[in-house]
Amino acid sequence: EVQLVESGGRLVQPGGSLRLSCAASGFTIDDKYMTWVRQAPGKGLEWVSLFYSGHSKYYSDSVKGRFTISRDTSENTLYLQMNSLRAEDTAVYYCAKVIMGATVAFDLWGQGTMVTVSS
Amino acid sequence: EVVLTQSPATLSVSPGNSATLSCTASQSVSTKLAWYQQKPGQSPRLLIYDASTRASGLSVRFNGNGSGTEFTLIISSLQSEDSALYYCQQYYMWPPLTFGGGTKVEIK
Repeated sequence: EVQLVESGGRLVQPGGSLRLSCAASGFTIDDKYMTWVRQAPGKGLEWVSLFYSGHSKYYSDSVKGRFTISRDTSENTLYLQMNSLRAEDTAVYYCAKVIMGATVAFDLWGQGTMVTVSS
Repeated sequence: EVVLTQSPATLSVSPGNSATLSCTASQSVSTKLAWYQQKPGQSPRLLIYDASTRASGLSVRFNGNGSGTEFTLIISSLQSEDSALYYCQQYYMWPPLTFGGGTKVEIK
């Protein structure tokens, strides 16, 4: 079955760190572009980061310098390292797969993992 | 940054009727626009990409159109299962990739 399964979300104090994982099955991520999208409680979708062509990595301004996207192709897993966490980072974090090349829309989503930043 | 404005915020439609959702971009995004459906407690689901191409397996009741700055998602013969939030997303000018604020579709 083709799927994405996120993990790693939990309650963390402001200023803390967390690493989210997104395990892919049914396909290999090494020839796919992958992304992280978040959704704060009761709010809309917000793009966070993208692992793109030629190992290019992109970030939203709100997380640039604090978050790092990476992948381990041997584990078929995408990661999001989150440092210097703030209350406004509280959200469900989804990983998703880009449908194809320049069409940066997302055709496969995980179930999400909840990150809560609070003291 | 391309800002996407969705209207209306909420749409209440009777079963069997059609729902028309709008997405307006602050600048042209050509046809680089996608639509997603999100039901409560679920992940988003891709419906439409490249403004009018249906995702694999999608019902023909869902139709997207538009180009430039004005886009529309039309859901025909509305069913109870179509009750959800709908988001548009542009991928013409990025980063950042941006989403609209969403339209909630309610079934009367």
